[in-house]
Parts: sequence; structure tokens; C-alpha cells
Amino acid sequence: EVQLVESGGGLVQPGGSLRLSCAASGFTFSSYWMHWVRQAPGKGLVWVSRINSDGSSTSYADSVKGRFTISRDNAKNTLYLQMNSLRAEDTAVYYCARDGRPPYCSSTSCYARNWFDPWGQGTLVTVSS
Amino acid sequence: DIQMTQSPSTLSASVGDRVTITCRASQSISSWLAWYQQKPGKAPKLLIYKASSLESGVPSRFSGSGSGTEFTLTISSLQPDDFATYYCQQYNSFVSFGQGTKLEIK
Repeated sequence: EVQLVESGGGLVQPGGSLRLSCAASGFTFSSYWMHWVRQAPGKGLVWVSRINSDGSSTSYADSVKGRFTISRDNAKNTLYLQMNSLRAEDTAVYYCARDGRPPYCSSTSCYARNWFDPWGQGTLVTVSS
Repeated sequence: DIQMTQSPSTLSASVGDRVTITCRASQSISSWLAWYQQKPGKAPKLLIYKASSLESGVPSRFSGSGSGTEFTLTISSLQPDDFATYYCQQYNSFVSFGQGTKLEIK
């Protein structure tokens, strides 16, 4: 069974840091792009970041660029999100999600599908003093 | 940035009803659209990708259509398990989601 399990959420003061983890199982983790998506309480879904299969390429939403860093350890089947300089508006449930299929690869590059399946259960990050 | 607008924001319906949710993109996204279902306190679940491709294991009462800027998600005969919030998501240019449509029991 494909499974994603997030951990590392909690209460942090504004300006603080937190590292989220997402443990993957049931599939070949190193073959998939991975994503983080967040959802503020009572609000909609917002894409945060993505990383390619080998960790060499990353992208971020403008709202977190320069503050968050996505990474992965394919030997440990684990995805990470390092969050620094946290703000109240970063308060949300953070979901990790797998790219829907293995990447499409041409002769020169590989591309994410950019739709998400499955998702983890989420971990709550609360930024408050 | 591509903006996604869903309508209605809330929809009241009864078991057995046929319902349609609309998603409009601020510019053409070809068929690069997915639909998700989310229940309270749970993670989203993929229903449809590439506008009309039904994900494996998703009941056939769900269907998607559209291309360009206008898309629809249709549930042919509502079941009790279908009352949830539905989100569309474009992936033509990075990623953005609609604001969600809450499907309530009438």
C-alpha cells in the first residue's frame, strides 16, 4: 500500500524554524517528484514546493521562497521541508503529496505531472507567540 | 499567475441527485486540470486528472469534462459518501487550486 506519513509539526513562535518530514512507503520513492501543499484552518489548498526525483531541482511558491527549503533522502525514503523565519500566515496543515505518476522524460529533461496522488494525512504547524 | 474560480461555493443536494460543479481558469490551461475530494479532517483524494481521466478506484458516477478555460465535475447520482468539499487544480503553469465547493446535504 502506498503511504505517506508526515511528522514534525507543532507550535512555534514567529521568526522560528521547524523541519517537517514525510516518510514514504509502498512505492519506489526515488522515481517520483514530490510536493508540499498547505491548508490554513478553514481555507483552501495552496501549493508550497516541489522537488524532482533525485533532489537536483526544486521550486517554491513566492510566499515561501527564500524561507523554506525542500529536500529529500532517497536512501531513507523521506521528504523534508525546512521552514525558517516563520510567520503567523504560515499556520496551516502541511501535506506531502506524491506526483501522480512517474515523470515524463524526453531525451534531455524530465518533467513533473504536477497533480497529486496520494497525499499524507498532514501535520499542523501553528505559528504564534 | 493562473486564477481558478469554482462555482458554486456551496451546493445543497439530495442523495440520488445529479450535480455539477464548474471551474473556470483565468487563461487557457488546455486539459491540465485535476479534481480532488476532501472530507473534514482528512487529506484530499484525487478523483480526476487531465480534465476527464478517472483515477483508478474512483466510482464511475464521477466524471469530468472541459478544456481551455471552463471545466465541470459531475456526480451522476449522489451517494451519502459524496458529501464533501471539492477542489479543482490547474497544472498548466505551476500549480493553483480553486477555492473549493462544499457539497452539503439538502
